[in-house]
Amino acid sequence: GDSVTQMEGPVTLSEEAFLTINCTYTATGYPSLFWYVQYPGEGLQLLLKATKADDKGSNKGFEATYRKETTSFHLEKGSVQVSDSAVYFCAPLPEAGNMLTFGGGTRLMVKP
Amino acid sequence: SAVISQKPSRDICQRGTSLTIQCQVDSQVTMMFWYRQQPGQSLTLIATANQGSEATYESGFVIDKFPISRPNLTFSTLTVSNMSPEDSSIYLCSATLRGRVTEAFFGQGTRLTVV
Repeated sequence: GDSVTQMEGPVTLSEEAFLTINCTYTATGYPSLFWYVQYPGEGLQLLLKATKADDKGSNKGFEATYRKETTSFHLEKGSVQVSDSAVYFCAPLPEAGNMLTFGGGTRLMVKP
Repeated sequence: SAVISQKPSRDICQRGTSLTIQCQVDSQVTMMFWYRQQPGQSLTLIATANQGSEATYESGFVIDKFPISRPNLTFSTLTVSNMSPEDSSIYLCSATLRGRVTEAFFGQGTRLTVV
């Protein structure tokens, strides 16, 4: 079945630091790839997505590129803010399916 | 896109009781799902809510403990039955829209504490 390996946290950074959260997946066919974010005390929000190879999803300064050759979808941000402190989940959605498979989540803590 | 309304947003319940969580979607969705997120953990799929028929449960989850209804395309309920402290979690409703790109949407979740 599909699976996701996500960088373990917590990741602690200072404000304005560069962020990378690694995500690799196994999936049959051509999945769509998503990053979700969960702010403290809230539900999940879609952060960004990519649907085909070499697509780059971006939102709120975050980016992730669909790398089919390495089956990766690493999340990056050039300069993090305290308000980015949250848990980030990587999730592929199979080409012919409807259910997301979630990574374990990576908690990001940004200090002033 | 779709907006998912889930209620209650949180509750504190006595062990041995049951709680029903409601999920309403504002669009004609194709699939609806229920997830559990235990403290500090990722999301685990409980079941797929099927319209007009029994839900499809994942391994480790059974209908007697987590009965689910989906009477129409846009509404579903999850009941957590005979609760114990181990059921303390966030329960999330999710729905997918199949269009040019299938996308999954989530409710805000129900934070359940069992005492």
